[in-house]
This record gives sequence, structure tokens and C-alpha cells, in this order.
Amino acid sequence: EVHLLESGGGLVQPGGSLRLSCAASGFTFSSYVMSWVRQAPGKGLEWVSAISGSGGGPYHADSVKGRFTISRDNSKNTVYLQMNSLGPEDTAVYYCAKGSTPIRYYFMDVWGRGTTVTVSS
Amino acid sequence: DIVLTQSPGTLSLSPGERATLSCRASQSVSNTYLAWYRQNPGQAPRLLIYGAASRATGVPDRFSGSGSGTDFTLTISRLEPEDFAVYYCQQYYSSPPTFGGGTKVEIK
Repeated sequence: EVHLLESGGGLVQPGGSLRLSCAASGFTFSSYVMSWVRQAPGKGLEWVSAISGSGGGPYHADSVKGRFTISRDNSKNTVYLQMNSLGPEDTAVYYCAKGSTPIRYYFMDVWGRGTTVTVSS
Repeated sequence: DIVLTQSPGTLSLSPGERATLSCRASQSVSNTYLAWYRQNPGQAPRLLIYGAASRATGVPDRFSGSGSGTDFTLTISRLEPEDFAVYYCQQYYSSPPTFGGGTKVEIK
């Protein structure tokens, strides 16, 4: 069974940093794009970052470019999201999602349960 | 970026009724690279439809998708209790991938 488990969320002060992790199982991890999608409280879905199966790219939304970095370790079946210079606008549930292809034109066919990030003083 | 506009914002229906949800793109979504997701309260999104009309694995046949270009539709033929949720469309042709604002299907 395909499974994604996020961790690393929590409460952080404005300007702080967090590193999210997503452990994957049940599929050939290196063959698929992995993405992070977030959802602010009471709001819709926002794509944040993606990385190709081989680690190429990576790709980030303009709203996080220069502050967030996605990476992956295919030997550990894990994708990461390093988040720096966090602001209140980054408060959200962060979902890890498996892409349907190795590199482009992907939809998200499996989602984790999410990890909550709260940025507040 | 391709902007996706979903309508209506909220749909009030009874169990067993038919639901029709719309997703309109600001520019053509080539190759029908459009997906639909359902999100139940407190849960992660679940893929329902990809390629505008293909059902994902395990998705009941009461869900159907249609459309091309800039206009897409998700139809639920007979609403079950678990279908009262929020639905999102997403285009994956153009980078960055973008989501619509969502349609909430609520019990009337």
C-alpha cells in the first residue's frame, strides 16, 4: 500500500525556520515527482514546491521562492521542505503528495495526512 | 499562471440528487491535463479524476468528468453521505500547477 507520512510541523516564531519531512513507502520512490501543497486555515489548496524523481528542478511557487527549499533522499525514500524566514502567511497544513509521473505533467495521486505549521509570536 | 475559477461556491443538495460542478480556466488547458479532488472535513484531498475524464483507482462510477479547453465539469450522479465535501480542480499542463478555489457540496 502506498503511504506518505509527514513530520516536522509545529509552532515557530516569525522569522524562524522549520524542516518538514515526508517518509514514503509502497512504491518506487525515485520514479515519481514529489510535491508539497499547503492549505491555510479555512482556505483552499496552494501548490508550494516540487522535485523530480531524480532530484531535478526543484520548483517553487513565487510565494516561497528564496525562502523554501525542497530536496529528496532517494536512498531514504524521503522528501524534505526546508522553510526559512517564516511569516504568519505561511501558517497552514502542509501536505506531501506523490506525483503521477517522474518529472512533468503530474497530478497528485497520493496524499499524506499533513503536518501543521503555525507561525506566531 | 493559469487561473481556475470554480462555480458555484456552494451547492446545497439532498442525498441521492445529482451534482454538477464547474471549473473554468483562464487559458486553454492543453491535453485535458485537469484533475479533480475531494476533501472531506479534517482529511487530506483525494484524487477522483485525472485527464479530465479518467477515474482514479477505486473511485466509484457515480463520479464522472468531462470537458476540454477552458471548460470542465465534474458530475456526481447520486450523492452519497461521504460526497458532502469540498471539491477542487487542478490543472497540470502549465507550470506552476494551480488549483481552483473549491466548491463546497453541502446537505440541503
